Amino acid sequence: EAGVAQSPRYKIIEKRQSVAFWCNPISGHATLYWYQQILGQGPKLLIQFQNNGVVDDSQLPKDRFSAERLKGVDSTLKIQPAKLEDSAVYLCASSLPSSNGYTFGSGTRLTVV
Amino acid sequence: GIQVEQSPPDLILQEGANSTLRCNFSDSVNNLQWFHQNPWGQLINLFYIPSGTKQNGRLSATTVATERYSLLYISSSQTTDSGVYFCAGHNAGKSTFGDGTTLTVKP
Repeated sequence: EAGVAQSPRYKIIEKRQSVAFWCNPISGHATLYWYQQILGQGPKLLIQFQNNGVVDDSQLPKDRFSAERLKGVDSTLKIQPAKLEDSAVYLCASSLPSSNGYTFGSGTRLTVV
Repeated sequence: GIQVEQSPPDLILQEGANSTLRCNFSDSVNNLQWFHQNPWGQLINLFYIPSGTKQNGRLSATTVATERYSLLYISSSQTTDSGVYFCAGHNAGKSTFGDGTTLTVKP
């Protein structure tokens, strides 16, 4: 089966600019997650979708971050405006509702300068 | 949410040695997962192990849910085992990752 697809792989932007990341989960996986991984730390959950509904966005900085999954398949995560501390790897993962674990994409490495 | 603590934070081995990585969690979890993050950043699922013991080749994992810990065993380590090992505890639909154990296997 095809894995979780993410793009772009790398992005460098200046602070205060906006950026968007895209994720296409494994076919049939209703649950989709966005994680932020800062260097030297474990991934931190930003938002979890079940189909096109939000299950958990308690750690999403909603003043600058937004995410959508309009058709219950692929998803976009946006940052506007970006800050230096947003430099991190943004990981997308998907799973079946009766989860036997996640599958992660390769991630997008964001550098804010 | 739950707290997940991994130990040791860093581990250096000679090729062929065995190792044990530990994951403690502060509250009960429904599920526990072990991942390997390779030097290119890809997170690979190793085990989904809410309880009991599982084995896959040179790797095995044991979770003792009643005592809130899980162990990952690596036998006859190889240089390709290098990277960061994460555990993630899942509870009430939420997941929390530890900060990982960085393993370096020297030839």
